[in-house]
This record gives sequence, C-alpha cells and structure tokens, in this order.
Amino acid sequence: SQTIHQWPATLVQPVGSPLSLECTVEGTSNPNLYWYRQAAGRGLQLLFYSVGIGQISSEVPQNLSASRPQDRQFILSSKKLLLSDSGFYLCAWTGSYNEQFFGPGTRLTVL
Amino acid sequence: AQSVTQLGSHVSVSEGALVLLRCNYSSSVPPYLFWYVQYPNQGLQLLLKYTTGATLVKGINGFEAEFKKSETSFHLTKPSAHMSDAAEYFCAVRSMNRDDKIIFGKGTRLHILP
Repeated sequence: SQTIHQWPATLVQPVGSPLSLECTVEGTSNPNLYWYRQAAGRGLQLLFYSVGIGQISSEVPQNLSASRPQDRQFILSSKKLLLSDSGFYLCAWTGSYNEQFFGPGTRLTVL
Repeated sequence: AQSVTQLGSHVSVSEGALVLLRCNYSSSVPPYLFWYVQYPNQGLQLLLKYTTGATLVKGINGFEAEFKKSETSFHLTKPSAHMSDAAEYFCAVRSMNRDDKIIFGKGTRLHILP
C-alpha cells in the first residue's frame, strides 16, 4: 500500500533562516505531488505541484521554492524565512480518481 | 471553472444528533467529488468520494454523502454524532484541467456538544 512521509513533524525557525521540508511517497511510481499550506484559521493554499522529476509548477509567487530530485521525493525550501511563512505544511499525492492522499504535515513556526 | 462552497464555517451539534455539513459545487462537466476530515495537527484523511454510479456514497466512520446533480450539492451526513467526530471537514471537486488538481472548499469545523 501507499504511504507518504513528511519530516520534520515540527520546526521552529528564526526569521531569515533557511528552510527545507521533505516529503517522500512509497508504494507508487510517478505520482503527481503537491505542497499545501494552512495558515491559522484558514483553508488550504496550494503552493506547488509536480507531475514528474524536475517539473515544478508554482501557484503562488513567494519566497518559497520546491524541487523534485527523485520520482517519489518532493522538497519545499526557502532561503530566508518570513514571519508569514508560519503554518502547517502538507504534502499530498494523487490517486486514481484525482483524490489526494495527504502526509501527516509539518508545523512550522517562524519567530 | 470549478468551485466549491461550504455553507457554515462552524457547525455545532449535540452528541447523538444528526450531522449535516453542506457543500455546493460548480462544474461544467460531471464532477468527481470528495469529503475529507482533518483532526488537529494531522493531515487530511479521505472520508468518501463520488466518481460515477450510485449517488449515495458511504464512507468511513459512519458518514455518507449524496450527489444531487439538480441541486449541485454533495452534503455530508451522519445519523448520530459522536464526540470523536469533532474535526474540520473539507469538501472538494476535481479540477478538469490536466494538472489533476483538486479544488477545496474553505472547510467547516464541526463541534460536538455533550
């Protein structure tokens, strides 16, 4: 069966520091992968999606970037974090009917 | 373009009472529709999905939803609420573009009153 992992689970970073969040999927090949963010009290915001290795589409211009170095690995990065980057980050992949399966999430607090 | 509207950002029901969470969608083609549940500090979990066929869809934890094309609705129900049902619920529709994206509603937080 398919499994999706995210790490770290929680992260506290100072403003201006770099960021790297990792997502890996097991049990499937060539999945479509997605990064979402939930800010406090707000819905899901799609940040990036990828249909294959090296193929990244950005939904929202900001100081975040994404990369897909391997088929089942999706990385979210930033060179300099802002206070507004705080939130709950979710990785997801797409199943047969476009349903999305989500990872456990990373809680990021920028101080 | 597809869109999803969830009526009520917060819904409160008493334990044992009927749960009804409303969702209306907009789609120019037959939609694929989904309901997700999110517990605090966890990822979203798929509750149920409608693709084709039977319009009454049963999901996990005793939830079900009915696709009504004439009303463009996909409301989520559960006959008897349990304290463990307290969570946030998201309705979603598949994007008809080639990117496989899903369009999510803004979510409804369900509160269960003892």
